[in-house]
Amino acid sequence: DQQVKQNSPSLSVQEGRISILNCDYTNSMFDYFLWYKKYPAEGPTFLISISSIKDKNEDGRFTVFLNKSAKHLSLHIVPSQPGDSAVYFCAASRSRADGLTFGKGTHLIIQP
Amino acid sequence: NAGVTQTPKFQVLKTGQSMTLQCAQDMNHNSMYWYRQDPGMGLRLIYYSASEGTTDKGEVPNGYNVSRLNKREFSLRLESAAPSQTSVYFCASSPGYGYTFGSGTRLTVV
Repeated sequence: DQQVKQNSPSLSVQEGRISILNCDYTNSMFDYFLWYKKYPAEGPTFLISISSIKDKNEDGRFTVFLNKSAKHLSLHIVPSQPGDSAVYFCAASRSRADGLTFGKGTHLIIQP
Repeated sequence: NAGVTQTPKFQVLKTGQSMTLQCAQDMNHNSMYWYRQDPGMGLRLIYYSASEGTTDKGEVPNGYNVSRLNKREFSLRLESAAPSQTSVYFCASSPGYGYTFGSGTRLTVV
């Protein structure tokens, strides 16, 4: 049973426009959510996070929104740049020490 | 600034062979993790160590063992490799919630 779901395997967006990546979760015990970015042949790198007590967190071009009642979070990238082309993983955690549960990832392609 | 270092980067094993994947971090993090990434499957947790001296099973522990040798090092052992263990393996460390990942070990079992 997949607890963190990214239903779009890929997403193509024009350079300069907004990219919106979505993530749904089923476990109501998750209290911390993160987005990771991964380039080919590299490890994932941390992008942005949000705790369950907030509904929005912003860092430069990246904003994460959390809707707890819908068990849904989204990552907004504005404006999208060519270097944003990568696989984005949504992840969730129940506690500090437990391992993160990852979604399957969304491959974002920024078109020139 | 090494962060998390994994060795080797690539490995080919024959079915039934054993090997140990090494991971070391220099950030004084308490928690360390082993994940595997397979096409279309995302990252799945194999084992983790919340602190030195403790280890726990994750989502897919079968066929693997781990050792938290000290605070810096967390190794993953395949006792008898199987083709189903062909994957990219990532080690990560964390002081709390945020993870730092290594660059991965690409393992092929033939």
